[in-house]
Amino acid sequence: NAGVTQTPKFRILKIGQSMTLQCTQDMNHNYMYWYRQDPGMGLKLIYYSVGAGITDKGEVPNGYNVSRSTTEDFPLRLELAAPSQTSVYFCASSRGTGKSYEQYFGPGTRLTVT
Amino acid sequence: TQLLEQSPQFLSIQEGENLTVYCNSSSVFSSLQWYRQEPGEGPVLLVTVVTGGEVKKLKRLTFQFGDARKDSSLHITAAQTGDTGLYLCAGAGGSARQLTFGSGTQLTVLP
Repeated sequence: NAGVTQTPKFRILKIGQSMTLQCTQDMNHNYMYWYRQDPGMGLKLIYYSVGAGITDKGEVPNGYNVSRSTTEDFPLRLELAAPSQTSVYFCASSRGTGKSYEQYFGPGTRLTVT
Repeated sequence: TQLLEQSPQFLSIQEGENLTVYCNSSSVFSSLQWYRQEPGEGPVLLVTVVTGGEVKKLKRLTFQFGDARKDSSLHITAAQTGDTGLYLCAGAGGSARQLTFGSGTQLTVLP
């Protein structure tokens, strides 16, 4: 199993450009999440999904959009990139059952907007 | 909004020393997790504590969940250079099993 994979690993965008960060998991997890991690700030939840076709906003959703057409894929779309979106983005998935609440994370995408 | 405060933010110690990292909140969590993150990688789960007052040991790491389920601590005995990393606590709750992360403790263990 590959777990959670993210592409690309690194990306530099100009202000106003758009891009899609890809996330795929092969664990058949229903729950998927997108976080951003800024230096010294921990992880902030952007969007999450509890299953195919269902998405909802997290703590910091402005400037982002998501879709969930399949169980495996949960892409994050940035429209009109701004310098404030410079961050490291992590995708995670969770089984969604039991007491553990464990989330499995991808390796991250480091995005710079200049 | 639930907040988790971690302290200290940075910690640099010599190999063989002991240390404790704290995670505090005014909110009650159904469970609390500790993750460790290496540079260039995503966080990896170390432990989940569920019951108030629970203590879990993972080799040289001891995790404790407060009686009121609002705080937790991570104690490392005889730290090794391989313990270096970013330690994150995360409180669990919400209908979609969301995690609220603390800001992290960057631990450096010097040889």
